[in-house]
Amino acid sequence: EAGVAQSPRYKIIEKRQSVAFWCNPISGHATLYWYQQILGQGPKLLIQFQNNGVVDDSQLPKDRFSAERLKGVDSTLKIQPAKLEDSAVYLCASSLIGPDTQYFGPGTRLTVL
Amino acid sequence: KNQVEQSPQSLIILEGKNCTLQCNYTVSPFSNLRWYKQDTGRGPVSLTIMTFSENTKSNGRYTATLDADTKQSSLHITASQLSDSASYICVVNSNYQLIWGAGTKLIIKP
Repeated sequence: EAGVAQSPRYKIIEKRQSVAFWCNPISGHATLYWYQQILGQGPKLLIQFQNNGVVDDSQLPKDRFSAERLKGVDSTLKIQPAKLEDSAVYLCASSLIGPDTQYFGPGTRLTVL
Repeated sequence: KNQVEQSPQSLIILEGKNCTLQCNYTVSPFSNLRWYKQDTGRGPVSLTIMTFSENTKSNGRYTATLDADTKQSSLHITASQLSDSASYICVVNSNYQLIWGAGTKLIIKP
């Protein structure tokens, strides 16, 4: 069974630029999550989708971050414009049922200069 | 406020030695507690999950304990190997809201 795929693995941009990350969940998983993990901290949930609907986006900085999950499969997370404090690893996870059985992708490491 | 605190922040031990990582939580209501292993440059991978009624669960050389009365959990690693070098993160599920700890960074030296 293929795992959660993410791309790119690494991205370096300058502040005020835009960036987008892509995630392909495990086939058949209805729930998809985006997390932000700052160095030395645990992951912080940004947004949770159930199929193509948003379940929780309470911690998503909506003035600069946006996410979509068209057709309930792949998802993209966008940052526009980026700030220095957005430097982090962005993890995508998916689950068949509920938040417990989450499977994580390898993450995208973003560096904002 | 729901919180999960882990100690130590980092730990260095020699290959073959045992170690114990701690997780204290102030979370209510409590559904379950999970330990994750996160290798450098990878996403977290689940090691164990424990519900309120369970006080010990093993996964190979990893043994997790849970004391629901004192709201403490520990992860014991036996006969450490170089591949155990990773961050170990404690996560408490509170009615489907996950509260993540900051993790313990474990380094195994040959």
